[in-house]
Amino acid sequence: QVQMVESGGGVVQPEGSLRLSCAASGFTFSSHGMHWVRQAPGKGLEWVASIRYDGSKKYYADSVEGRFTISRDNSKNTVFLQLNSLKTEDTAMYFCARWTSRGTPDTGRYDLWGQGILVTVSS
Amino acid sequence: QSVLTQPPSVSAAPGQKVTISCSGSSSNIGSNSVSWYQQLPGTAPKLLIYENNKRPSEIPDRFSGSKSGTSATLGIAGLQTGDEADYYCGTWDTSLSGFVFGTGTEVTVL
Repeated sequence: QVQMVESGGGVVQPEGSLRLSCAASGFTFSSHGMHWVRQAPGKGLEWVASIRYDGSKKYYADSVEGRFTISRDNSKNTVFLQLNSLKTEDTAMYFCARWTSRGTPDTGRYDLWGQGILVTVSS
Repeated sequence: QSVLTQPPSVSAAPGQKVTISCSGSSSNIGSNSVSWYQQLPGTAPKLLIYENNKRPSEIPDRFSGSKSGTSATLGIAGLQTGDEADYYCGTWDTSLSGFVFGTGTEVTVL
C-alpha cells in the first residue's frame, strides 16, 4: 500500500524542540525528493523544507531557516524534520509530501501526502 | 505570506462551471509549471493537476488546468457537492529556491 505516515507531533513550550518523522511504504522512497509542508489553523499551505532523493541538497523557507533541519534515512524509508527554537507561530499541521518531477524542479509536484501531524507551541 | 494570489472564494450551482485564477511572477509561474491541489475539510491536500494541464489518472476530466505567462487557471466543470473544498495552486520559485503556494480558494456549491 502506497502511503506515508507522520509521527512525533505534540504540545511543546516556546523555545522547545520536536522531531517529526514520516515513514513511507509501497514505493521506491530513495527515488523521490521529500518535502515538509505546514498549515496553521485556519490558514493556507506553507512550504517548509525539502531534501533531494539522495540527501545531497536541502532547502528551507526563510521562516524556519536556522531553526529546522530536514534529513532522511533511505535504508528506513523515512524523512525527518527537527524543529528547534520553536515559536508560537510554528503551531500548525505538518504534512510530509512526496516530490515527483521529470528531473528538474520546474516540473515538480506533490503527488502523495501524509495525513499530517499536529504541532502546538504554547506555554 | 503567499506569493501566488488566488480569489478567496468562488461559488456556483450544481452542474455549472467555476474557474479559479492564480497570479504569480516571472520567477515562479512565468518559468515553472503549475500544479493544483484540492483539500477537503479536515484532510490532506490531493493533487488535481500537474505540469499546468495534466491530470493524474484518477482525477476526472471535469478538472482542467491552463497557464499563460505568469498566471494559471483551474476549471471545474459539472460542479458537484463533493467538490466543496479549498483549492491551492503551487509552483517552484526559482528566486526563492522553494515551492510556493497560492493563497487558496474556497469553492462553494450553491
